[in-house]
Amino acid sequence: DAKTTQPPSMDCAEGRAANLPCNHSTISGNEYVYWYRQIHSQGPQYIIHGLKNNETNEMASLIITEDRKSSTLILPHATLRDTAVYYCIVRGDSWGKFQFGAGTQVVVTP
Amino acid sequence: NAGVMQNPRHLVRRRGQEARLRCSPMKGHSHVYWYRQLPEEGLKFMVYLQKENIIDESGMPKERFSAEFPKEGPSILRIQQVVRGDSAAYFCASSLQGPANNEQFFGPGTRLTVL
Repeated sequence: DAKTTQPPSMDCAEGRAANLPCNHSTISGNEYVYWYRQIHSQGPQYIIHGLKNNETNEMASLIITEDRKSSTLILPHATLRDTAVYYCIVRGDSWGKFQFGAGTQVVVTP
Repeated sequence: NAGVMQNPRHLVRRRGQEARLRCSPMKGHSHVYWYRQLPEEGLKFMVYLQKENIIDESGMPKERFSAEFPKEGPSILRIQQVVRGDSAAYFCASSLQGPANNEQFFGPGTRLTVL
């Protein structure tokens, strides 16, 4: 599975959009991009995933570049409860374990 | 629909004792995964099981660790003769179908402390 690169931390003001970047320059054609988050040592929470089209659900939007070498997770209106470590993971469509890296520590401030 | 359940939430063992961690997947899910998170580190995959079968145990330590997912009942992660280095949070996840293009839903974890 391809490796990902994320900034170690970022701050976001409450009510503003949070844009979380992820580089996955070695991604291959059958690998999906997944986003999870972990709030204060709780179990990771699934956010969204996609292959090449942009995706949106009730939690977030996922924007994948045309060459698929990078993506951005967008939290449209960050709240204090969105403070968490966000993990970007790429995984193939056959059996491939989720490999969690260091993620991005997002702190939402009032 | 209840989520993934793990028990106990906290477990304290002395060195040399056995630890048994239980995981009940979401209703209808027959695929279970175990991960370990050491203090200040990311999650590391341990094992993937379907009912009565171990599919991938490439992340399991070679000794003292075992996992099962019987036809009836929860999945069990068993650690024999625990050592202080086993202190960690152990997370279980489940998925509806196989892992291909299927998100995994995680439980709250079991925090193991070895004295």
